[in-house]
Amino acid sequence: QKEVEQNSGPLSVPEGAIASLNCTYSDRGSQSFFWYRQYSGKSPELIMSIYSNGDKEDGRFTAQLNKASQYVSLLIRDSQPSDSATYLCAVNMDSNYQLIWGAGTKLIIKP
Amino acid sequence: DAGVIQSPRHEVTEMGQEVTLRCKPISGHNSLFWYRQTMMRGLELLIYFNNNVPIDDSGMPEDRFSAKMPNASFSTLKIQPSEPRDSAVYFCASSFAATGELFFGEGSRLTVL
Repeated sequence: QKEVEQNSGPLSVPEGAIASLNCTYSDRGSQSFFWYRQYSGKSPELIMSIYSNGDKEDGRFTAQLNKASQYVSLLIRDSQPSDSATYLCAVNMDSNYQLIWGAGTKLIIKP
Repeated sequence: DAGVIQSPRHEVTEMGQEVTLRCKPISGHNSLFWYRQTMMRGLELLIYFNNNVPIDDSGMPEDRFSAKMPNASFSTLKIQPSEPRDSAVYFCASSFAATGELFFGEGSRLTVL
């Protein structure tokens, strides 16, 4: 069973702090990794993709990938109340189109 | 550029009725996905089209569900007859070359009474 695991939360972080979201996956052969943000009542929106080990930074967001340990994380620096949402981790394991989705972590940024 | 457009945004119907959901993907995208999202099961892939051809419909729950993509700019998901357990948010998403970088529509929230 190919799985993507996320802590469901909620994860509560004070405004201005770093929010750290984690995701583990079961298939060692996975190649592509994605973070989607979903506001309540809205659709998922792609915020980061990462394909190789290491860090990838985009503004306040940093995605980190460690294939040996089979985890991918998302760091949000200087967290803002507008970052409050559910963050979905998605992994492309062995095909070009089939994403395996985590259940999402609900993040709450407290002013 | 317009994003993925779905209609209707909300649909309330009675058990046994036919439901048709519609999707217009982003122009130039050759991959189209229909997903269903519920609290219990999260996001589930129902069907994937590439260049208007259904490639994988293994996620379609049963014969009551059908999907078509007659051209590159339009797709439908039909449920006939609908049942209360079909109540969910149905998302259409498109991408270029099925890279995993999906663009989602706003979703169609279906309630079957």
